[in-house]
Amino acid sequence: QQQVKQSPQSLIVQKGGISIINCAYENTAFDYFPWYQQFPGKGPALLIAIRPDVSEKKEGRFTISFNKSAKQFSLHIMDSQPGDSATYFCAASKMKFRDDKIIFGKGTRLHILP
Amino acid sequence: DTGVSQNPRHKITKRGQNVTFRCDPISEHNRLYWYRQTLGQGPEFLTYFQNEAQLEKSRLLSDRFSAERPKGSFSTLEIQRTEQGDSAMYLCASSLGLGQGGQPQHFGDGTRLSIL
Repeated sequence: QQQVKQSPQSLIVQKGGISIINCAYENTAFDYFPWYQQFPGKGPALLIAIRPDVSEKKEGRFTISFNKSAKQFSLHIMDSQPGDSATYFCAASKMKFRDDKIIFGKGTRLHILP
Repeated sequence: DTGVSQNPRHKITKRGQNVTFRCDPISEHNRLYWYRQTLGQGPEFLTYFQNEAQLEKSRLLSDRFSAERPKGSFSTLEIQRTEQGDSAMYLCASSLGLGQGGQPQHFGDGTRLSIL
């Protein structure tokens, strides 16, 4: 059972465009939704995260939109740059409990065309 | 600011051999997690520690796997009698657990294991 479903699997965007990655979750006990960015040969790095009591969070060019009733959230990368080319993982966890292991989606490989 | 450190970065071994990986978390972090990532997939949880206590183990962690965190600082993950299917990136993460709740996890760059 895949608890966090992510789409698309891969994405190609022109430089300056908007990259959008979508995720859906099943467990309503999740209370923390991070996005991780991973470059080849490196570990995942926390990019931005949101809790379900807000519908949107913006940090620089990165925005998370969160729809609690639909159990969906998405990452928007504005003015996408070649340096943003990486694999992005949405994830979920239960931060307010001891059981705060992260459940990851399968990832989206993003390529920004120069 | 010293991040999560993992050693070795790469390990190549023959099937049937034992391997051990080490993780040094961020110094003030009391929680330490191990994940496994196979090619083209997201990381999957294996186990985690709060201080020296191992609090949860995934069913992915067969009896050939053992993890320790003897003094609540660094941790080791050992795989005995390695199999082809063990080939993966093994990632360590740490966080500051506050009471019952947690804080964001920070990952190391992993140990890539290749089984010949």
